[in-house]
Amino acid sequence: EIVMTQSPATLSVSPGERATLSCRASQSVSSNLAWYQQKRGQAPRLLIYGASTRATGIPARFSGSGSGTEFTLTISSLQSEDFAVYYCQQYNNWPPVLTFGGGTKVEIK
Amino acid sequence: QVQLQESGPGLVKPSGTLSLTCAVSGGSISSSNWWSWVRQPPGKGLEWIGEIYHSGSTNYNPSLKSRVTISVDKSKNQFSLKLTSVTAADTAVYYCAIRPLGGVSFYGMHVWGQGTTVTVSS
Repeated sequence: EIVMTQSPATLSVSPGERATLSCRASQSVSSNLAWYQQKRGQAPRLLIYGASTRATGIPARFSGSGSGTEFTLTISSLQSEDFAVYYCQQYNNWPPVLTFGGGTKVEIK
Repeated sequence: QVQLQESGPGLVKPSGTLSLTCAVSGGSISSSNWWSWVRQPPGKGLEWIGEIYHSGSTNYNPSLKSRVTISVDKSKNQFSLKLTSVTAADTAVYYCAIRPLGGVSFYGMHVWGQGTTVTVSS
């Protein structure tokens, strides 16, 4: 079973600053990684898939990078609406299993 | 734009069976998508439960596989989740979501329902 570990658990950032979130897989997942944003009381929203491709309608300040076991989500200049919890998710081709990381909460500093 | 709507009992007794349905609107359940269930216990992270393709092919989370059944009803354009032998640990918000078919590629879950809260309690 592939385990996804996100760090840090909480990230305190001032508006306008850059935020860098990490996600590590216990074994290679190639580029089969997605990032989601979840605000309180809402369903998750897909931000990034294929490790680095922005989903439809996602602002350019969100970017993803990495492959294999190490991945990064960068928010270049935090806006007030970006304070939320972020999850990574991997897809393993065989056996077909999807696994979420534990999440990183981005809070206002 | 495809939309999803979960429905089902909000309260289930311990040892009972949790049953939820996800209605698909704005698109066909016979399209090239995996239809997924994800849950989130109060104050905790997301957990993938499993998914189904319109052909009936399923993939399940190994930790839940013995208790989970996901099925599809093409005539009603919906899919369903059954979770047996529930305990308080199964209390969560349950979401349905769409994962596009991608072969070896992964496109993420790009459409989500609003979620429905299920509490396991006597």
